[in-house]
Amino acid sequence: AQTVTQSQPEMSVQEAETVTLSCTYDTSESDYYLFWYKQPPSRQMILVIRQEAYKQQNATENRFSVNFQKAAKSFSLKISDSQLGDAAMYFCAYRRAGGSEKLVFGKGTKLTVNP
Amino acid sequence: KAGVTQTPRYLIKTRGQQVTLSCSPISGHRSVSWYQQTPGQGLQFLFEYFSETQRNKGNFPGRFSGRQFSNSRSEMNVSTLELGDSALYLCASSLAPADTQYFGPGTRLTVL
Repeated sequence: AQTVTQSQPEMSVQEAETVTLSCTYDTSESDYYLFWYKQPPSRQMILVIRQEAYKQQNATENRFSVNFQKAAKSFSLKISDSQLGDAAMYFCAYRRAGGSEKLVFGKGTKLTVNP
Repeated sequence: KAGVTQTPRYLIKTRGQQVTLSCSPISGHRSVSWYQQTPGQGLQFLFEYFSETQRNKGNFPGRFSGRQFSNSRSEMNVSTLELGDSALYLCASSLAPADTQYFGPGTRLTVL
């Protein structure tokens, strides 16, 4: 079974600084998708970024970028120029391509942004 | 375009009762998935529906069931509630099963 591990239960960053959240996963599949979701205290889960495993280029969405290392099964999220509104729980998720489309989530990293 | 909506947002029930939660997907989305979120177990997949058919089911007891209607709206039902069923229940929709899932705000269920 696929598993997703987020080894940092909590992280903090100063406003305007850069922070990297770690995620590793375990799978025997070669084709899959990886996601970072953000869940602010209001609880609405928001998609931050998505990466297709067959793409070597790292995905980027404005201040959010990933470092996808397929061989190492690592998928970290970098947040640049951190803002107060970035404070949230961040979940890394895996989904196999085809077949079962369920998302497998990590336990999450709580990010605090200090002014 | 309106996002995923879930009703009710909050629910308090007692042990032994049953509950029905509703999810309306984003317009045009035909796939709906349900997840349970608890502090101890994190986010766990419950089931997925597409075109009124359950395509996949997570490792939950038979007390948890669901269905999808022809307009893609989905409901999940939990019978004979237990204290451990207290959780945030999240619904996610996507255009099709292989597409990115977008989440609703969740229904907070408290079982007393």
